[in-house]
Amino acid sequence: DAGVTQSPTHLIKTRGQHVTLRCSPISGHKSVSWYQQVLGQGPQFIFQYYEKEERGRGNFPDRFSARQFPNYSSELNVNALLLGDSALYLCASSLHRATNEKLFFGSGTQLSVL
Amino acid sequence: SQQGEEDPQALSIQEGENATMNCSYKTSINNLQWYRQNSGRGLVHLILIRSNEREKHSGRLRVTLDTSKKSSSLLITASRAADTASYFCATDQLRGGYQKVTFGIGTKLQVIP
Repeated sequence: DAGVTQSPTHLIKTRGQHVTLRCSPISGHKSVSWYQQVLGQGPQFIFQYYEKEERGRGNFPDRFSARQFPNYSSELNVNALLLGDSALYLCASSLHRATNEKLFFGSGTQLSVL
Repeated sequence: SQQGEEDPQALSIQEGENATMNCSYKTSINNLQWYRQNSGRGLVHLILIRSNEREKHSGRLRVTLDTSKKSSSLLITASRAADTASYFCATDQLRGGYQKVTFGIGTKLQVIP
């Protein structure tokens, strides 16, 4: 079975632009979470989606938005990019949204904002 | 915000030695997980320990959890060069209907052949 896939792997944008990152979860997984990882830090929670609805949101500005599609894939959108948005964006999937479930991560999208 | 803090932030050992990493957290948890990350790419789940467990083993990994001290440790025995990676603890809570997984800042482990 394919693991969690993310696209693109690398992206370079300039300040003020918009970006869309994509994630396909493991087949059968209904929960997708997004994380931002700045160099030298641990992943920071951005969103969790379950059954196509936003179930949780981290401490990120409204410039960040996401959605989940009927096939459980997901998009993360970031508007009005800032230099500080440069980071590795990770998508993780799990079967449900309960605790005691391990997360399966994709390889991430490395976003550079110039 | 980061829930956990790993200690040390960096660790360098010789192949064959044991590596111990510690994690402290701030709030009550349902369980605690350890993940590994190679070269800034995706994280890989290593082990999960529930809040009512004190110790868990998986191969060369041994995890302990002390909820009274809000701390956990990960021991890798007989380390190998391939164990070189960053290791993160993650606390797991169910908050407002969603799984809130909060990662620490990580321990960067280097195993020298």
